[in-house]
Amino acid sequence: GEDVEQSLFLSVREGDSSVINCTYTDSSSTYLYWYKQEPGAGLQLLTYIFSNMDMKQDQRLTVLLNKKDKHLSLRIADTQTGDSAIYFCAEIGSGGGADGLTFGKGTHLIIQP
Amino acid sequence: DSGVTQTPKHLITATGQRVTLRCSPRSGDLSVYWYQQSLDQGLQFLIQYYNGEERAKGNILERFSAQQFPDLHSELNLSSLELGDSALYFCASSTTGADTQYFGPGTRLTVL
Repeated sequence: GEDVEQSLFLSVREGDSSVINCTYTDSSSTYLYWYKQEPGAGLQLLTYIFSNMDMKQDQRLTVLLNKKDKHLSLRIADTQTGDSAIYFCAEIGSGGGADGLTFGKGTHLIIQP
Repeated sequence: DSGVTQTPKHLITATGQRVTLRCSPRSGDLSVYWYQQSLDQGLQFLIQYYNGEERAKGNILERFSAQQFPDLHSELNLSSLELGDSALYFCASSTTGADTQYFGPGTRLTVL
């Protein structure tokens, strides 16, 4: 079945850029998403990218997609303490919403002062 | 605030019991999804409804069932609860059932 892999932890200094990586196996993925979960909170949609795009930028967030390698990354520029959270990569296949999102295990972003 | 509401926020119950979790989608959204988040399994898709009809099933146990009502709110029923059912249960909604999903704040279920 489909699988989405992420590293569990990333530690960065405040003010640096954070790059969170994700790999997926479903070659029919149409959309790929990044969600953010703060402690005790729900999942907040950060951004998404359509599979025919290579890059998407939204303020401090840059998403890069390498469809050949099935690799997705999220870059957060000028990382702040408020960015401390778990970041989930998720994909949806060619069935659209009819098969639910497949999530990675999440990357804990730790900000060092 | 995503516009998706879930009640209750917390639920504590005993093994063998039955509970009902409720979700109201964003205004205008026709599709509702249920997900389970646990430490060992991560986030797993359970089931999707679109305009009152079941559309897709994921890793939903037979002890669990869901429905979507004419006013588009949805309920997830969990019965014969086991300790391992303790988890965070999320509801998400989307407009067409094939577009971006917005998540509610979740219901934390603790089975003792």
